Amino acid sequence: DTAVSQTPKYLVTQMGNDKSIKCEQNLGHDTMYWYKQDSKKFLKIMFSYNNKELIINETVPNRFSPKSPDKAHLNLHINSLELGDSAVYFCASSQEGLAGGEQYFGPGTRLTVT
Amino acid sequence: DQQVKQNSPSLSVQEGRISILNCDYTNSMFDYFLWYKKYPAEGPTFLISISSIKDKNEDGRFTVFLNKSAKHLSLHIVPSQPGDSAVYFCAASGGNFNKFYFGSGTKLNVKP
Repeated sequence: DTAVSQTPKYLVTQMGNDKSIKCEQNLGHDTMYWYKQDSKKFLKIMFSYNNKELIINETVPNRFSPKSPDKAHLNLHINSLELGDSAVYFCASSQEGLAGGEQYFGPGTRLTVT
Repeated sequence: DQQVKQNSPSLSVQEGRISILNCDYTNSMFDYFLWYKKYPAEGPTFLISISSIKDKNEDGRFTVFLNKSAKHLSLHIVPSQPGDSAVYFCAASGGNFNKFYFGSGTKLNVKP
């Protein structure tokens, strides 16, 4: 029974398209995140939502828009895709106040923009 | 400007020996550190953590050491097993448990 799931696992699309990645967690956590793993393998936080409220918004192009319909879901919509958006995107969740807030990650979505 | 660095992209160790993975950080405000393990095509999974009030935390074969003055932490795996072969990420937080800074990972290969 998957704790944090992401769809799709792979996404290949052309420049200029708009795409969405979905994330769901069944852990009952109150905080969810989106990370980008770039070509240098660093995991960089993009957004964080706590109980559907945006609490972290790093320096990310406004072509990226997160949406949290409820605290179990955090979707990532990307407009006007560019070559540099190619990366692996990870969703994660955590529970505030729980043992230091370690995060539970989804399996990742590999986005390739051609 | 990376605040958490793992300068060894890879490490190869014989089964049964000790694996030592290193991590350096630059921000003196960081006070909580985690290690994650990642297998191919999976997300990172939490392994072990340490708070800055300690200098050592142990969990079975895994021990994390923290040297605050050197801004350095290390993960020791003893004895190493082939199943430990994975990429290990360290992460640091400055008290805001919602925001962690990750290193670039070290790929550990444990040879049978």
